[in-house]
Amino acid sequence: DSGVTQTPKHLITATGQRVTLRCSPRSGDLSVYWYQQSLDQGLQFLIQYYNGEERAKGNILERFSAQQFPDLHSELNLSSLELGDSALYFCASSVGDEGNQPQHFGDGTRLSIL
Amino acid sequence: QQQVKQSPQSLIVQKGGISIINCAYENTAFDYFPWYQQFPGKGPALLIAIRPDVSEKKEGRFTTSFNKSAKQFSLHIMDSQPGDSATYFCAASIPGGKSTFGDGTTLTVKP
Repeated sequence: DSGVTQTPKHLITATGQRVTLRCSPRSGDLSVYWYQQSLDQGLQFLIQYYNGEERAKGNILERFSAQQFPDLHSELNLSSLELGDSALYFCASSVGDEGNQPQHFGDGTRLSIL
Repeated sequence: QQQVKQSPQSLIVQKGGISIINCAYENTAFDYFPWYQQFPGKGPALLIAIRPDVSEKKEGRFTTSFNKSAKQFSLHIMDSQPGDSATYFCAASIPGGKSTFGDGTTLTVKP
């Protein structure tokens, strides 16, 4: 058990809809990272927050947004969903804000767009 | 642009054999090179990691090697076991948090 909790585990919705994925980091970790894992593109870094502030940005679409709250949990909001957004979304956490630290992953949210 | 190239895409090894996975990177700003193991239905789990100032690191049956001049790093799994059957990802991180992952290697260890 990594200590990172992601909810929900599965999400099924339709095109055009909006969903929110939630992540609770490991106790003591201040950084949260979001990744997208799809069959044809592997693990893609989306965005990182550290202690409530955006710290690094990857290939995140404008339709996607994230935030980290004062209690350090994070939410990833996906809107105007398209079929191609179907993927596994992982959250990871680490103690600090540098990339050269171990990241601990949750078990992901599987998003299916019908 | 793919910045971390991982090979092979899939690997079949007999029990007791050595599994070898290689990764090559382009960005010389990378300063942390972790390996992750992922089982179906689970998130990636950190296996071992290496930094550019070290040429080799060993943890049990898992060894990672780093070649700075060739911009390559590798994972060796000694005495491979059926329980090692999983997908393995290499990754590279730059200072500031951004990580780039390889496309993964599906390892099958046959009994």
